[in-house]
Amino acid sequence: RKEVEQDPGPFNVPEGATVAFNCTYSNSASQSFFWYRQDCRKEPKLLMSVYSSGNEDGRFTAQLNRASQYISLLIRDSKLSDSATYLCVVTSNSGYALNFGKGTSLLVTP
Amino acid sequence: GAVVSQHPSRVICKSGTSVKIECRSLDFQATTMFWYRQFPKQSLMLMATSNEGSKATYEQGVEKDKFLINHASLTLSTLTVTSAHPEDSSFYICSAADTGRYTIYFGEGSWLTVV
Repeated sequence: RKEVEQDPGPFNVPEGATVAFNCTYSNSASQSFFWYRQDCRKEPKLLMSVYSSGNEDGRFTAQLNRASQYISLLIRDSKLSDSATYLCVVTSNSGYALNFGKGTSLLVTP
Repeated sequence: GAVVSQHPSRVICKSGTSVKIECRSLDFQATTMFWYRQFPKQSLMLMATSNEGSKATYEQGVEKDKFLINHASLTLSTLTVTSAHPEDSSFYICSAADTGRYTIYFGEGSWLTVV
């Protein structure tokens, strides 16, 4: 079983739509959780950290459920520029080494 | 601007030759750097943890003798793909841990094509 699993999509949504991505992780000892964004043929960039209490950054809301080992990302009012692959990321026991999900592809259309 | 620089961004080499990729932290000292590999439509997979002044720690299934890692200074780690073959063609990307800021920075990545 992979350590981090995501629905690969693709998710095709119109501008303005709300879209949600889910992710599960297998290591209950994981300490930190993130969502990264990766554009085609580029390095991943940190979108936001994910906290147990849930956190919001503008149009983006992240949730963590430790009991279910589940992470989510909600994007409201989708923009064309949101088109990218969204990577669910979990730290390993060694702290700064990251375990990446395969990514969920999002395409926002006019 | 970038705080972790990776070079070269793209390289094409012949099968059987070796290729070196450099990863530099530009404004912080990184005792630990990480090397990842990403095949098309796949996730980034951790290859190894590069430790300044000591041997790298390789993930299961990654050949130490094929992927040589050197972390001789606090700002530079290098990955050398030895005797490269077409199946080594991939996107290689490094990250560096800025423990002072509790932040991980990624390099821009290196596209390797072995022909």
